[in-house]
Amino acid sequence: GAGVSQSPSNKVTEKGKDVELRCDPISGHTALYWYRQRLGQGLEFLIYFQGNSAPDKSGLPSDRFSAERTGESVSTLTIQRTQQEDSAVYLCASSLTSGGAWNEQFFGPGTRLTVL
Amino acid sequence: DAKTTQPPSMDCAEGRAANLPCNHSTISGNEYVYWYRQIHSQGPQYIIHGLKNNETNEMASLIITEDRKSSTLILPHATLRDTAVYYCIVRVGYDYKLSFGAGTTVTVRA
Repeated sequence: GAGVSQSPSNKVTEKGKDVELRCDPISGHTALYWYRQRLGQGLEFLIYFQGNSAPDKSGLPSDRFSAERTGESVSTLTIQRTQQEDSAVYLCASSLTSGGAWNEQFFGPGTRLTVL
Repeated sequence: DAKTTQPPSMDCAEGRAANLPCNHSTISGNEYVYWYRQIHSQGPQYIIHGLKNNETNEMASLIITEDRKSSTLILPHATLRDTAVYYCIVRVGYDYKLSFGAGTTVTVRA
């Protein structure tokens, strides 16, 4: 079946502009996650959605970052007034649920954001 | 705080077994050992996880020492497509936040 898809695959923007990144999770997956990966670095958790529960936004680095998810479908990550330090690959993942040791997270290919 | 320690890089010959070590000396009793990998320009991919028993699946085997302070991921017959960064992490089963360090860059050579 189809995996997690993300769009766009690449985004180049100018400092100060807003960007919107999209994630389509695997159908039926109730949990959705956004991560950031700076060049040559590890994974940083940003935000997590589980069904209709309030999202866990504890990883968002500033109030310029926000994310929404409609039900158990598509999610968008919005970065306002982009800064150069926002340049990174933004990864989306989904899983059937979030509980238990077997909550394997399936990742999309990521969106590479470059802020000039 | 780094909870795991991995060598920065290793080479492996195609067709041979690749043994990737990971130290996690401060692991808690309820923490699992997970392995992920990330092939260049792709998202991370789950490989295997275990608590204290050795585990095997279609991708790899995971050997955890009796004291659980270290583990080894074994790719039994490495192929060129196994060239990737491999991440070893420890976390409790209900913790959904993945956090990777630098990992081990594995290069499989023909």
